Amino acid sequence: EIVMTQSPATLSVSPGERVTLSCRAGQSLSSSYLAWYQQKPGQAPRLLIYDASTRATGLPARFSGSGSGTEFTLTISSLQSEDFAVYYCQQYNNWPRTFGQGTKVEVK
Amino acid sequence: VQLVQSGVEVKKPGASVKVSCKASGYTFSNHYMHWVRQAPGQGPEWMGTINPRGGITRHAQKFQGRLTMTRDTSTTTVYMELISLRSEDTAVYFCARDRSGSGLDAFDIWGQGTMVTVSS
Repeated sequence: EIVMTQSPATLSVSPGERVTLSCRAGQSLSSSYLAWYQQKPGQAPRLLIYDASTRATGLPARFSGSGSGTEFTLTISSLQSEDFAVYYCQQYNNWPRTFGQGTKVEVK
Repeated sequence: VQLVQSGVEVKKPGASVKVSCKASGYTFSNHYMHWVRQAPGQGPEWMGTINPRGGITRHAQKFQGRLTMTRDTSTTTVYMELISLRSEDTAVYFCARDRSGSGLDAFDIWGQGTMVTVSS
């Protein structure tokens, strides 16, 4: 199975800052089948980005995804209060589908 | 579009659990459904998927022999049954819809989650 590794585990930031989260796949995702999810406490994950760089319906433009092969990035251009959460990457290039362990974005 | 799951479950080791997920607001047979679980403090873990059109399933190897996924097209409901429960199965279980009709896509709609606790 493809191991997904996210870094850092925790990111302490202030509102308005630019945030960059990283996700590395254990082998190349040939079709860039990589998604990003946001999860807040007690809630289900929410799809943000799919196909590495396509924003889900209604997602604010401050969220963007990039990358290919084994290296992927989620960027939040100006962090808002509602963006403090845990972010997961997931590959759907191969079976089984696998998720990273998450990056927690917390208030500095 | 929403997925509504059944409620909290508390089970003893060795028992089984069956969680339901009722879909509404879209054409049920057009989207694969996945099951994902999340243990306390951990990342999500994909368990398996079912094609509502024909009922064909695919699951992660670690659940071989313990996981059964079924669907009822008349009620637009999918089910996940896990047998021979152990304490490590304590988690929140989610159903999640595949974004496209191929089963090869991200998960765009999620149920609210069902907490399953396995304890003697």
